[in-house]
Amino acid sequence: LAKTTQPISMDSYEGQEVNITCSHNNIATNDYITWYQQFPSQGPRFIIQGYKTKVTNEVASLFIPADRKSSTLSLPRVSLSDTAVYYCLVGAANDYKLSFGAGTTVTVRA
Amino acid sequence: KAGVTQTPRYLIKTRGQQVTLSCSPISGHRSVSWYQQTPGQGLQFLFEYFSETQRNKGNFPGRFSGRQFSNSRSEMNVSTLELGDSALYLCASSRGGTDTQYFGPGTRLTVL
Repeated sequence: LAKTTQPISMDSYEGQEVNITCSHNNIATNDYITWYQQFPSQGPRFIIQGYKTKVTNEVASLFIPADRKSSTLSLPRVSLSDTAVYYCLVGAANDYKLSFGAGTTVTVRA
Repeated sequence: KAGVTQTPRYLIKTRGQQVTLSCSPISGHRSVSWYQQTPGQGLQFLFEYFSETQRNKGNFPGRFSGRQFSNSRSEMNVSTLELGDSALYLCASSRGGTDTQYFGPGTRLTVL
């Protein structure tokens, strides 16, 4: 599994856009990039997944440059309820053994 | 569609006892994976079942075991509990193959 590196923590304010960058220099050709969100004492929640370029859903956008050695999760106009830990995972699409790093703790303040 | 459910949500046991946790996957999902989450070690993979067969196992001692039934429901058993087994145990289900894993709310196990 490709190792990922992401910031330990980020602070933001309500209404701002939050961008979390994840580095994955050893990403393999078959690997996808997936992001999960986790609130305390709850299971991780799938946010978005992508392979290359840009993916957008109703919650977030995922930007992946051509070399795929990094990716950026973008959360538009965050609210207090977006305070959570965000995990970046890299692995083959059929990789059922998810490997979570330490994640990024995002704190949104009023 | 109902999400992944786990029972019980909270459990308190003492050292040396054993415990069984249950996971009901999303309808139609045949793959169930189990994870242990602790503040110190983060989220760690325990094992994964697909169609009643264990396909992969993480680096946990043999005290941790599991099984999956024909309806895809899964159970995880921990024998001879140790204080260090206190954790949030999460299960995730997927259709298998390239499908995304969806997590349940977890079972909070406290070993005294």
